[in-house]
Amino acid sequence: DSGVTQTPKHLITATGQRVTLRCSPRSGDLSVYWYQQSLDQGLQFLIQYYNGEERAKGNILERFSAQQFPDLHSELNLSSLELGDSALYFCASSEGDYRGRGTDTQYFGPGTRLTVL
Amino acid sequence: AQTVTQSQPEMSVQEAETVTLSCTYDTSENNYYLFWYKQPPSRQMILVIRQEAYKQQNATENRFSVNFQKAAKSFSLKISDSQLGDTAMYFCAFMKLLYSGGGADGLTFGKGTHLIIQP
Repeated sequence: DSGVTQTPKHLITATGQRVTLRCSPRSGDLSVYWYQQSLDQGLQFLIQYYNGEERAKGNILERFSAQQFPDLHSELNLSSLELGDSALYFCASSEGDYRGRGTDTQYFGPGTRLTVL
Repeated sequence: AQTVTQSQPEMSVQEAETVTLSCTYDTSENNYYLFWYKQPPSRQMILVIRQEAYKQQNATENRFSVNFQKAAKSFSLKISDSQLGDTAMYFCAFMKLLYSGGGADGLTFGKGTHLIIQP
């Protein structure tokens, strides 16, 4: 168990809908990262937050957004869902934000499997 | 942008054998970390080993060790005395450090190697 929790484990929804995925980082970690794993694209970095602030963006679609709350949990919002958004979405956390203030190794949650029908 | 290449889509070895998984990467950065993550059938991503680019000594974790060749941009994983529980997808990943001059990025992953340990 990495200490990172994600809810829900599974989510089934229809095209055009909006869903919210939730992540709680390990105790003491300030950075949260979101990744998408699909058969077509492999593992892709979406976005990073550090202590409530957005720090880096990867291949995140405009239909997707995220935020990190004062208690450090994070939510990934996916809207206008398409069939191609079906994937495993991982959250990871680390102590620091690459600036040398802490350990930068990322620990992954169990993932949320999203199925869009 | 960084790229990570894992040239072996699948490998199969007998239990107790030693196996080496290959990884090469392309970057213009000088300061970075490299990782191997394991993804068993449960789909959980599990950290196997980490290597800081500024360290010349290769990282080891019990039966797992790496051969890090910075000039060649190569980062292979050796698993000794392989066990049935080692059966999984193995991903090589690159992480750029902010103080190397660039922005903060997430991990860049290779496409993975499916390792099968046969009894």
